[in-house]
Amino acid sequence: SQKIEQNSEALNIQEGKTATLTCNYTNYSPAYLQWYRQDPGRGPVFLLLIRENEKEKRKERLKVTFDTTLKQSLFHITASQPADSATYLCALRQYNFNKFYFGSGTKLNVKP
Amino acid sequence: DTGVSQDPRHKITKRGQNVTFRCDPISEHNRLYWYRQTLGQGPEFLTYFQNEAQLEKSRLLSDRFSAERPKGSFSTLEIQRTEQGDSAMYLCASSLEGTRTGILSGANVLTFGAGSRLTVL
Repeated sequence: SQKIEQNSEALNIQEGKTATLTCNYTNYSPAYLQWYRQDPGRGPVFLLLIRENEKEKRKERLKVTFDTTLKQSLFHITASQPADSATYLCALRQYNFNKFYFGSGTKLNVKP
Repeated sequence: DTGVSQDPRHKITKRGQNVTFRCDPISEHNRLYWYRQTLGQGPEFLTYFQNEAQLEKSRLLSDRFSAERPKGSFSTLEIQRTEQGDSAMYLCASSLEGTRTGILSGANVLTFGAGSRLTVL
């Protein structure tokens, strides 16, 4: 089965800086990879999806890259704000499989 | 439509009791998933339905767990003879997909409910 690794240590950054979170996976290449945001006591909320044939996706202050050679996705939040503080989860799905595998998430703290 | 609803939000029970959680997905979504999440971990897949058919169950889903989606709308997850290790957040998610297998472009985004937190004493 897939193993998905996200940095378990919290990422602390200053407001206005760019936050970069990492997601590494093993075994099979996913058909696509997703990033979700989760606030305490709430369910995850979808942010971005990137397919295996795409290198980069952007949405407002968010950017996701996907390197299938390195088996890695990077998630960037530019001009970070305290409201961006949350846990960010990556999830992947393989071809011919109908479930999503999630990483354990990285907690982001943006300090004013 | 107000999104995915889960009930109850919190449940405290004694070991050995049975509990049932309910999930109401987004009405036009045909696929429904159950995940379990413990503190500091990501969601772990339990099972999913395509309409009313339960198509896959995780090895995590022991015989004490049963899930149903009787009319392809809401779903229930029942845990019998609860154990302390069952304490977790139980998340329901729904999505729209057009076929039983394979991946369609433009679909496959999970919309989660707020979860049902179970504490077994």
